[in-house]
Amino acid sequence: GAVVSQHPSRVICKSGTSVKIECRSLDFQATTMFWYRQFPKKSLMLMATSNEGSKATYEQGVEKDKFLINHASLTLSTLTVTSAHPEDSSFYICSAAGYRDTEAFFGQGTRLTVV
Amino acid sequence: GQQVMQIPQYQHVQEGEDFTTYCNSSTTLSNIQWYKQRPGGHPVFLIQLVKSGEVKKQKRLTFQFGEAKKNSSLHITATQTTDVGTYFCAGRQNYGGATNKLIFGTGTLLAVQP
Repeated sequence: GAVVSQHPSRVICKSGTSVKIECRSLDFQATTMFWYRQFPKKSLMLMATSNEGSKATYEQGVEKDKFLINHASLTLSTLTVTSAHPEDSSFYICSAAGYRDTEAFFGQGTRLTVV
Repeated sequence: GQQVMQIPQYQHVQEGEDFTTYCNSSTTLSNIQWYKQRPGGHPVFLIQLVKSGEVKKQKRLTFQFGEAKKNSSLHITATQTTDVGTYFCAGRQNYGGATNKLIFGTGTLLAVQP
């Protein structure tokens, strides 16, 4: 299957700082990328959908000003958690879909801990 | 909004026993996918079902899509320790654009005792 690389895999930051997470499709062009958040032993909660060159579409209850998404190219989407707080600590995972729009290819995930 | 529920939340079996997880959507799905997530890992695609009543098999795994396209099941025959993980169904919701978003089910954690 296609390869999606997510970086960093783990990050610890202080409250009030911002953290950027990158999601790259390495061997295909991802017209759409999805960002999920996963709490321990819970399901993946879709946060937003980003399309290359346009604004992201956020799910209900997700603050767009807190979780900034940029999809500047067909191979890169970034999620920036701004002014992070301890309650933002979670596992963030991206997935990418190509033109075929069938299966989703997931990045390895980023475990964010805000202290 | 669309909700996708799975039961059971957790299942503990002895190696060799069968296992089934059920997935139910509040709305009709265009298709359904199944993923497996190992502890500490990311979801890995298993299969996609598209047609009403479709049944697909992958070795010991059998996937079904309900006639109304609102429910699905995954059955594992003679579980092995390598089957351990959380199994998620994910339903495609019409996003209105070129790509439809996936809504994940609540997941079923499978533990297999040797």
